[in-house]
Amino acid sequence: SQTIHQWPATLVQPVGSPLSLECTVEGTSNPNLYWYRQAAGRGLQLLFYSVGIGQISSEVPQNLSASRPQDRQFILSSKKLLLSDSGFYLCAWSEQGTGELFFGEGSRLTVL
Amino acid sequence: TQLLEQSPQFLSIQEGENLTVYCNSSSVFSSLQWYRQEPGEGPVLLVTVVTGGEVKKLKRLTFQFGDARKDSSLHITAAQPGDTGLYLCAGSHPSGTYKYIFGTGTRLKVLA
Repeated sequence: SQTIHQWPATLVQPVGSPLSLECTVEGTSNPNLYWYRQAAGRGLQLLFYSVGIGQISSEVPQNLSASRPQDRQFILSSKKLLLSDSGFYLCAWSEQGTGELFFGEGSRLTVL
Repeated sequence: TQLLEQSPQFLSIQEGENLTVYCNSSSVFSSLQWYRQEPGEGPVLLVTVVTGGEVKKLKRLTFQFGDARKDSSLHITAAQPGDTGLYLCAGSHPSGTYKYIFGTGTRLKVLA
């Protein structure tokens, strides 16, 4: 069966520090991969999505970036965090051609 | 501007009551998904509706896709405290097949 894991689950970072969130999927190949951010109790904002290795589509211009170095690995990064980067970050995958997303456990980022 | 608007934003009801949550858009979607999310976790897929006018039932939950595929509704019969959570609709953005966007969310609280 397919599984998705993202880490770390929680982190507190100072303004201006770098960020790296990692996500891996097991049990499937060539998945579509997604990073979303969620404000408290609200809907999900699509940040990046990828349909293949090295293929990244960015939805929101900001100081975040994403990379897909391997088929089932998706990384969210920042060189310098801003206060506004605080939030709940969710990684998700879907099979090519379906609209059904499967989410990781989430990473809560607090920037101080 | 949100492409998928949900209403109501918040809903607090007593156990045993019925409720309906709406997901509306001015755009046509090839399919819509409904998810439920609990605090600190990723959303979990409940259902996918594909055909205009389609009705799907999942125990006490009834999902409907509008005839024009621009809107959807979720009806819960005899709500229970276990139904408490954030309900999200989602769909493939009209501009991109793999670009999945989410609605604004409806936070439901069912009181015992």
